[in-house]
Amino acid sequence: EADIYQTPRYLVIGTGKKITLECSQTMGHDKMYWYQQDPGMELHLIHYSYGVNSTEKGDLSSESTVSRIRTEHFPLTLESARPSHTSQYLCASSESGGGTYNEQFFGPGTRLTVL
Amino acid sequence: KNQVEQSPQSLIILEGKNCTLQCNYTVSPFSNLRWYKQDTGRGPVSLTIMTFSENTKSNGRYTATLDADTKQSSLHITASQLSDSASYICVVSDRGSTLGRLYFGRGTQLTVWP
Repeated sequence: EADIYQTPRYLVIGTGKKITLECSQTMGHDKMYWYQQDPGMELHLIHYSYGVNSTEKGDLSSESTVSRIRTEHFPLTLESARPSHTSQYLCASSESGGGTYNEQFFGPGTRLTVL
Repeated sequence: KNQVEQSPQSLIILEGKNCTLQCNYTVSPFSNLRWYKQDTGRGPVSLTIMTFSENTKSNGRYTATLDADTKQSSLHITASQLSDSASYICVVSDRGSTLGRLYFGRGTQLTVWP
């Protein structure tokens, strides 16, 4: 099982609150990713990072922001949560280079509900 | 446009039976194709990976096939178990970017009944 962790696993909050979803990996991977997944739908990439101090927006526009101050840590922040942010958020990581054919290891996800 | 289409959307089978899930893709240039299993409320876990030159790969009761000419893949599950109930996601990677972009299908929701 992959050593990538996400907290909290479930979060129910009110509109307008600021939240941070935590993601940590102990595999020393340079690349990390955040995906958003709605029920029955495909994963959409919202943020990624090549390494420390590197962050990029993904394919799906998101009002969230990310930071990468340490290799192992890639938190996602929503400054003001809205009901439209209700979704499952999955964090993943992978090694640099093509040796492992870009296998991404996923965390268990955070199920966010904004009331 | 790079896309991954899976069928069927959902499937119910009885324990002990076999089943086959399908994946068609248009991703180019192609790097590799993975099948992931995602249990409810969990992150996806890789089952198999195949590159352009591989046309079959097994992992226990799971056997994946790839036809790179027709851009089709299948995942065959033998002697299904209750624990096989999950979403099975086809994921295709391109080799046209340093990120190694992944393209996800919507998954096939498999339910195994006793």
